[in-house]
Amino acid sequence: GAVVSQHPSWVICKSGTSVKIECRSLDFQATTMFWYRQFPKQSLMLMATSNEGSKATYEQGVEKDKFLINHASLTLSTLTVTSAHPEDSSFYICSASSGRQYEQYFGPGTRLTVT
Amino acid sequence: ELKVEQNPLFLSMQEGKNYTIYCNYSTTSDRLYWYRQDPGKSLESLFVLLSNGAVKQEGRLMASLDTKARLSTLHITAAVHDLSATYFCAVDGNNNDMRFGAGTRLTVKP
Repeated sequence: GAVVSQHPSWVICKSGTSVKIECRSLDFQATTMFWYRQFPKQSLMLMATSNEGSKATYEQGVEKDKFLINHASLTLSTLTVTSAHPEDSSFYICSASSGRQYEQYFGPGTRLTVT
Repeated sequence: ELKVEQNPLFLSMQEGKNYTIYCNYSTTSDRLYWYRQDPGKSLESLFVLLSNGAVKQEGRLMASLDTKARLSTLHITAAVHDLSATYFCAVDGNNNDMRFGAGTRLTVKP
């Protein structure tokens, strides 16, 4: 149980375009989902926290107009990187929490390369 | 602001040796996590520590938590090559948002 999927697993896009990443909880309802970014050989940095049906809470320094997060249902959250630039190239990992238990379950990650 | 510090950041060990990774955090927290990450992969949950004095063991890895000292340790016993990976500790913040340490890149050499 407690499986989280992400799609796509990797994506290459051109500078200036937008790309959407999906995060799904497959066998539980996720009241809260988290989005992390990980640059090569660095740690995970929390970008934003989203609760189903409400606006995401962004961490300081994360542009909410650039990284659009939608948590429209209890099993799906999306992260859209708008007007992507090469510096947005990173490994994006989502996690989901059911709210009943403390643990977060991590997705397999999406590697974004912006050319 | 919650800060999580890990050390060492890099660890090169010989097979069969023991070593400990340390994780310090700056504010009170109820939960501490240890994860493993292989290159190009996401996180694999190793341990969840929920109370002061908690100790958990799985194979050659043992984790402990001292909430008074705000310190957790991950002890490796008789290391084997398969343990080579990056290990992260993470601590829950006030809003159940998780803060990660910088990670310890472990290499186990024959």
